[in-house]
Amino acid sequence: AQSVTQPDIHITVSEGASLELRCNYSYGATPYLFWYVQSPGQGLQLLLKYFSGDTLVQGIKGFEAEFKRSQSSFNLRKPSVHWSDAAEYFCAVGLMDTGRRALTFGSGTRLQVQP
Amino acid sequence: DTAVSQTPKYLVTQMGNDKSIKCEQNLGHDTMYWYKQDSKKFLKIMFSYNNKELIINETVPNRFSPKSPDKAHLNLHINSLELGDSAVYFCASSQGGERSEQFFGPGTRLTVL
Repeated sequence: AQSVTQPDIHITVSEGASLELRCNYSYGATPYLFWYVQSPGQGLQLLLKYFSGDTLVQGIKGFEAEFKRSQSSFNLRKPSVHWSDAAEYFCAVGLMDTGRRALTFGSGTRLQVQP
Repeated sequence: DTAVSQTPKYLVTQMGNDKSIKCEQNLGHDTMYWYKQDSKKFLKIMFSYNNKELIINETVPNRFSPKSPDKAHLNLHINSLELGDSAVYFCASSQGGERSEQFFGPGTRLTVL
């Protein structure tokens, strides 16, 4: 069965510093990959997604992610973090051609931003 | 103008009660979902409906019964509530297949006392 691992439960960065959140997936073929953000008390908002093509994808709010097939990874990056980026970040996998339309989520990474 | 809405936002109830959570989407999507987020923030799919037809039913107790009266609505009814049912329940919707973005509702925080 497919799985998604986010190794970092909690990350703290200073405002203005760069950020990288890690995501690894386990699946036999190339999945569809997503990053969602959840602000406190809110639902999930899509940051970006990868289906095929260019392995570096740009998202909203200045985020980007790079798909590396050899490492089964889809890490999320931002060059300069803002205080408003403090939230919970979820990596998710959707499976190709299975008719299964649900996402499998990682356990999330909580981002704290220090002034 | 909310794309995916859920009611209620908070639900506090006693063990053994029966309760329902409602979800509506105004995006014209053909697929709707229920996810459960536990106390450790882990999100897991419970059900998925496509054009009112159940296509995913994960290992969920049969006390949970989804109902889709039309494409725009997917309700979740829970019988004989247990303490372990306390969680945040998210409704989502999408159009198309696996590569489609899912739009999430704001969540319903269920607390069973």
